[in-house]
Amino acid sequence: GAGVSQSPSNKVTEKGKDVELRCDPISGHTALYWYRQSLGQGLEFLIYFQGNSAPDKSGLPSDRFSAERTGGSVSTLTIQRTQQEDSAVYLCASSLRGLAMAGELFFGEGSRLTVL
Amino acid sequence: DAKTTQPNSMESNEEEPVHLPCNHSTISGTDYIHWYRQLPSQGPEYVIHGLTSNVNNRMASLAIAEDRKSSTLILHRATLRDAAVYYCILGHNTDKLIFGTGTRLQVFP
Repeated sequence: GAGVSQSPSNKVTEKGKDVELRCDPISGHTALYWYRQSLGQGLEFLIYFQGNSAPDKSGLPSDRFSAERTGGSVSTLTIQRTQQEDSAVYLCASSLRGLAMAGELFFGEGSRLTVL
Repeated sequence: DAKTTQPNSMESNEEEPVHLPCNHSTISGTDYIHWYRQLPSQGPEYVIHGLTSNVNNRMASLAIAEDRKSSTLILHRATLRDAAVYYCILGHNTDKLIFGTGTRLQVFP
């Protein structure tokens, strides 16, 4: 499809395990964002990639969270030693250009993570 | 980051116009005003954005106050499908959008 694709759509894991969440942005989009949304809450910014620039990691809640973007396309968000408070929907978005240029963000459907 | 203030919730009847307000009194000259909405169990979707002038698109209109300290998202004829959380966000000098809690719009038949 032409939209932002995220996988898995649902992930149930045990506390202490590592998880990887994948995001396939829209082809040609240089900017990629990760957000998370806990149940009934607003969106929390996590990390932002723009082209070849160093990512803005200012929203990552702890050093258990990391993300990479390979070849300027696919991104993987990794959560190590998961905790129950990590349970949330993790949303990925991409944009043709950075928001400073008022580009439109396209969001994926999200990956729902449940940590037991 | 400049903040926005929105009512927690609003109600409308189907086929009536809806005016969703947003206050952003600390907006800077280079901040764009963005509106997104999130339907139940979905990711947010773009609605509209503007800088100084009023904007219209197929989804909505954005009316921006002359001093830019407030704006209003206008849905001309609400439908049941418009029931969602509407987020008003300022695109600050950084490249990320910081979402607030938004306005939950209920639309009644």
